[in-house]
Amino acid sequence: AQKVTQAQTEISVVEKEDVTLDCVYETRDTTYYLFWYKQPPSGELVFLIRRNSFDEQNEISGRYSWNFQKSTSSFNFTITASQVVDSAVYFCALSEARPADTGNQFYFGTGTSLTVIP
Amino acid sequence: EPEVTQTPSHQVTQMGQEVILRCVPISNHLYFYWYRQILGQKVEFLVSFYNNEISEKSEIFDDQFSVERPDGSNFTLKIRSTKLEDSAMYFCASTRRLGEGNYGYTFGSGTRLTVV
Repeated sequence: AQKVTQAQTEISVVEKEDVTLDCVYETRDTTYYLFWYKQPPSGELVFLIRRNSFDEQNEISGRYSWNFQKSTSSFNFTITASQVVDSAVYFCALSEARPADTGNQFYFGTGTSLTVIP
Repeated sequence: EPEVTQTPSHQVTQMGQEVILRCVPISNHLYFYWYRQILGQKVEFLVSFYNNEISEKSEIFDDQFSVERPDGSNFTLKIRSTKLEDSAMYFCASTRRLGEGNYGYTFGSGTRLTVV
């Protein structure tokens, strides 16, 4: 069964602090994709990153970095020097390789609500 | 950057009424999806659609729901007789052909449905 767990429901940090959002996933597939999305108060889902299961390189994009570890089935997200604009709900999601006639369903975690205090 | 467009952004309807949520997927995408997010909860899969038919659906997607691609560009979700618990944000998404390195999963900005 597929499952994505985000154990942290809410996190508050003071501006300029670093913060790591945890994501643990379960899947039986060897080929799968992991994603992070940001959901600001306006409600849309903003794509942040996509990672496939064959690429365990960590990635850095500005103040954002991601740590993918297959050995622990984790795909954690770190924001360095947080800013008030980072306040949002962040979702981790899993998508598996599927037959061409079924599409790719996303399995979302329950989200982590991040509040950055000025 | 191509976008998935959803209309309306917010819809209020009375319980028992039918609603149609509309989506225009990205033009070269082949697979279409609807997801639902009840306020404060996670985003949940409803249905996927490929080659003019439903390819997969969740247990949420009961007989009250239907999807259609009426004209080759729009992709609609119909709720026949809305209930209070249908109040949620509904997201449409589309993807290119699967198996490509980047199948371009793109979500629309959502329709917030409020049933009163």
